[in-house]
Amino acid sequence: RKEVEQDPGPFNVPEGATVAFNCTYSNSASQSFFWYRQDCRKEPKLLMSVYSSGNEDGRFTAQLNRASQYISLLIRDSKLSDSATYLCVVTGYSGGGADGLTFGKGTHLIIQP
Amino acid sequence: DTAVSQTPKYLVTQMGNDKSIKCEQNLGHDTMYWYKQDSKKFLKIMFSYNNKELIINETVPNRFSPKSPDKAHLNLHINSLELGDSAVYFCASTRGRGYTFGSGTRLTVV
Repeated sequence: RKEVEQDPGPFNVPEGATVAFNCTYSNSASQSFFWYRQDCRKEPKLLMSVYSSGNEDGRFTAQLNRASQYISLLIRDSKLSDSATYLCVVTGYSGGGADGLTFGKGTHLIIQP
Repeated sequence: DTAVSQTPKYLVTQMGNDKSIKCEQNLGHDTMYWYKQDSKKFLKIMFSYNNKELIINETVPNRFSPKSPDKAHLNLHINSLELGDSAVYFCASTRGRGYTFGSGTRLTVV
């Protein structure tokens, strides 16, 4: 079983729509969770951290369900500029740097005008 | 000022050659990493260095060797390059929670 699993897509979504991605992780000891965004031929960039209480940043909402080992990302009122690959990421310890990031394969999102 | 910089950005080389990729961070981070993103776009950790100590070494061939002259630098040296080494290599650094990535080095082995 892969450590972090995501639907690779692509998700083709009309501009203005709401889109949701999910991912599951296998290591129940994972303690830190993130969504990263990667544009074509660019480096991954942190989109937002994910907490059990849920967190929101503008049009983006992230949620963690520890019991189900499941992470979600919701994008409301999608923009053309949201087109990218969204990477689900976990770490083994509480944000500690030593363990590194474990990436999912990413979900490719295409926003269509 | 670029926070994590890697050079070169592109590298085309022949099979069997030895090459190095350099990485420098000016963020004062404690830990630096190398990641490989293959043709299927899967990002996988290769190495991390914390205070000059190798902490993670995944199932990476020993042709790959990280070298850290100081806390701000983590270079990647690759011996006897193979076709399968073609990928994008990303350097990253962290002091705990936030990770910053370099812009990547696209290595093509011909």
